[in-house]
Amino acid sequence: KAGVTQTPRYLIKTRGQQVTLSCSPISGHRSVSWYQQTPGQGLQFLFEYFSETQRNKGNFPGRFSGRQFSNSRSEMNVSTLELGDSALYLCASSLRGLDEQFFGPGTRLTVL
Amino acid sequence: GENVEQHPSTLSVQEGDSAVIKCTYSDSASNYFPWYKQELGKRPQLIIDIRSNVGEKKDQRIAVTLNKTAKHFSLHITETQPEDSAVYFCAAPFGSGNTGKLIFGQGTTLQVKP
Repeated sequence: KAGVTQTPRYLIKTRGQQVTLSCSPISGHRSVSWYQQTPGQGLQFLFEYFSETQRNKGNFPGRFSGRQFSNSRSEMNVSTLELGDSALYLCASSLRGLDEQFFGPGTRLTVL
Repeated sequence: GENVEQHPSTLSVQEGDSAVIKCTYSDSASNYFPWYKQELGKRPQLIIDIRSNVGEKKDQRIAVTLNKTAKHFSLHITETQPEDSAVYFCAAPFGSGNTGKLIFGQGTTLQVKP
């Protein structure tokens, strides 16, 4: 079974731009969660999607948004990028949510 | 609030010794507690998890214990090996229902010296 994939793997943007990251979950998994990983803050929950609906949201500003498609693939968008948005963005998929989450390799976003 | 405290932040042990990492959580409704291992430059991977209906779970050299009354759980690694060196994260779910919202501890960097 193929694992979780994320594209692109690396991104360099400048302040004020926007970015879209993509996550393809394991086949059959309906829950996709997104996390931001930074050296200082660790792994922070962004949001979770289940069956195309946002089920949970973390404490991030409205510049961070996401969506999920009918095939469970998910995208997250960050608008008006700030330097502090530089991080590794990880998505994780699971069957229903409260079970083992399988992480993707992450997208490394650098904001200049 | 939604909080998972993890200690220690760094841990250095000699090969063959045991390592213990402890976490406390704030939501008494949390009922699933995974531990993830993240090697340098790699994605986090689940190494063991425990649900609230059991107090202990073992998998070879790894064990997790849960004390729901005190709201804390611990990871125990016995007979440590250099390949155990990594960052370890505990997590707990927050929110109602079958939520995929995991709040992670700050991580413990484990170094196993040969």
